[in-house]
Amino acid sequence: AQSVAQPEDQVNVAEGNPLTVKCTYSVSGNPYLFWYVQYPNRGLQFLLKYITGDNLVKGSYGFEAEFNKSQTSFHLKKPSALVSDSALYFCAVRDSTASGGYNKLIFGAGTRLAVHP
Amino acid sequence: DGGITQSPKYLFRKEGQNVTLSCEQNLNHDAMYWYRQDPGQGLRLIYYSQIVNDFQKGDIAEGYSVSREKKESFPLTVTSAQKNPTAFYLCASSPGYGKGQGMNTEAFFGQGTRLTVV
Repeated sequence: AQSVAQPEDQVNVAEGNPLTVKCTYSVSGNPYLFWYVQYPNRGLQFLLKYITGDNLVKGSYGFEAEFNKSQTSFHLKKPSALVSDSALYFCAVRDSTASGGYNKLIFGAGTRLAVHP
Repeated sequence: DGGITQSPKYLFRKEGQNVTLSCEQNLNHDAMYWYRQDPGQGLRLIYYSQIVNDFQKGDIAEGYSVSREKKESFPLTVTSAQKNPTAFYLCASSPGYGKGQGMNTEAFFGQGTRLTVV
């Protein structure tokens, strides 16, 4: 079965320190991977995606993610965390069983990032 | 500005009552989706639509219904058959069917509707 796992419910990091939010996936075929961020009572905002090409993907707000095919991982990273980065982060993979050109996504449970001053 | 508009932001439903959540997009996207978000469970797909007058059940369609009469609109009705409707509902869209790059393009989300049963 296709799935996305975010093993940490919460990640705590001090402002200015690097942060990592972990994601592993299970999907048949080539994965199409996404990271989204959600602020309280708001919708999801797109951060970055991996479709093909370089394993290190750069996205919005200084975030990047590293695709590792052998470990089936797509961890989100940022070199220096800000208090304003505190939010709920979702990793998602496109459902490879979906036909057509639409983007049916399978989401992880989310990881709450808390950045402390 | 292009985007997805969900209304209302907050909605209260009495037991046994049907309610309809609105989702409108002006991104000219073909595909639209409804997700339900519960604490600690991530997002689960309720229904999705690839083109006008077509839609498919997602993973948790029971107790919900949708229509897609216009490209821009994809309303979701939460019926009285949905036993636990209190949740945060998110609508999304993507370029979708027949657009070639559809699979490579991220989905765009609305700001959500919080539904509470009272």
